Amino acid sequence: EAAVTQSPRNKVAVTGGKVTLSCNQTNNHNNMYWYRQDTGHGLRLIHYSYGAGSTEKGDIPDGYKASRPSQENFSLILELATPSQTSVYFCASGTGNYEQYFGPGTRLTVL
Amino acid sequence: GEKVEQHESTLSVREGDSAVINCTYTDTASSYFPWYKQEAGKSLHFVIDIRSNVDRKQSQRLIVLLDKKAKRFSLHITATQPEDSAIYFCAASGGNMGYKLTFGTGTSLLVDP
Repeated sequence: EAAVTQSPRNKVAVTGGKVTLSCNQTNNHNNMYWYRQDTGHGLRLIHYSYGAGSTEKGDIPDGYKASRPSQENFSLILELATPSQTSVYFCASGTGNYEQYFGPGTRLTVL
Repeated sequence: GEKVEQHESTLSVREGDSAVINCTYTDTASSYFPWYKQEAGKSLHFVIDIRSNVDRKQSQRLIVLLDKKAKRFSLHITATQPEDSAIYFCAASGGNMGYKLTFGTGTSLLVDP
């Protein structure tokens, strides 16, 4: 049974629209992360959280917000989507021992 | 902040040969170095890691070497098989980064049968 799930798996949005990507984990991990994957860049960290109610900025937070309402759920919010945010987004959960476990990814296209 | 450079963007080997992927990092405080495998259209799957208290770790056909002095680590895949074909990412964490991972840009490995 998948321990990190993401929804939706595919999303097409319009420029200027609001997009919410959701992540749920059943690992009971304190840490959760949002990355985007683009060719030539590998994975880049957008936001992360070390527990419910807290979020931190990663390396490329501009244009994104995050929300961690519970241990299990971590959302990534694009208030005003732009075509440059077209990408594949991965959520991960992690232990205090550095290991991270990834979800299946969400492919977002902003037209 | 930490920067991780993955030196080979593509690598092609014959089945049965060894493949080596090299990464370097910049933060001397980094202490955890995982490798992930991504098959076409799929997510990242953890394959092996090494921590800074050792310089070599092996798991079946996978060997990771760590040279802290040179700030370099490498993944060796021995006796390669076609199912090893994938993109491999190295990453680094620890020190001032806390539990965050900084990834390399990935190496696309093709194993020719």
